[in-house]
Amino acid sequence: SAVISQKPSRDICQRGTSLTIQCQVDSQVTMMFWYRQQPGQSLTLIATANQGSEATYESGFVIDKFPISRPNLTFSTLTVSNMSPEDSSIYLCSAQSNEKLFFGSGTQLSVL
Amino acid sequence: KNQVEQSPQSLIILEGKNCTLQCNYTVSPFSNLRWYKQDTGRGPVSLTIMTFSENTKSNGRYTATLDADTKQSSLHITASQLSDSASYICVVGSGGSYIPTFGRGTSLIVHP
Repeated sequence: SAVISQKPSRDICQRGTSLTIQCQVDSQVTMMFWYRQQPGQSLTLIATANQGSEATYESGFVIDKFPISRPNLTFSTLTVSNMSPEDSSIYLCSAQSNEKLFFGSGTQLSVL
Repeated sequence: KNQVEQSPQSLIILEGKNCTLQCNYTVSPFSNLRWYKQDTGRGPVSLTIMTFSENTKSNGRYTATLDADTKQSSLHITASQLSDSASYICVVGSGGSYIPTFGRGTSLIVHP
């Protein structure tokens, strides 16, 4: 199994600022994913973080708003840029290892 | 379009009672089905994973069933405990994509 450390666990931010969320995996994984989960909703995939190349974004999400880094096989960051109250949500990273999908503990973001 | 529908949306039971959560999917081609438990403000934690050839999988007091013909799965919780209060998410993987499809989850509340 893989253990994912995600931080921060929660943050309250001002409109117009940016927040970077970090995820560290305790083993090398090929695929890492970033999800958003709004209250009462299922997880929505933001992008797939590829090591050594640009992230692949899903429809409705763009790199300028959610830049992602994947410098190696154990680490990734997601930045929520120029935040607005609509960005208030839980953000989750996940990694696929041996056909199993593991999740970080989530970042609860509130934008004022 | 791949979809995963879960029912009920929410459920309240008394401690010690059993309950069954349902998951219907239209994901094709089917690869696997996973059940996750998500505590409030936390990331999902894997309970069970089943492939096409498996029709039941247990993890302690949690037992998942899969009927690949009718594309239905259930999660049965035996002798519920207060700590079972959480959201339970059904996730279906497709053989044609590395991106799984998430249900919206069933919110379970166990009362003393």
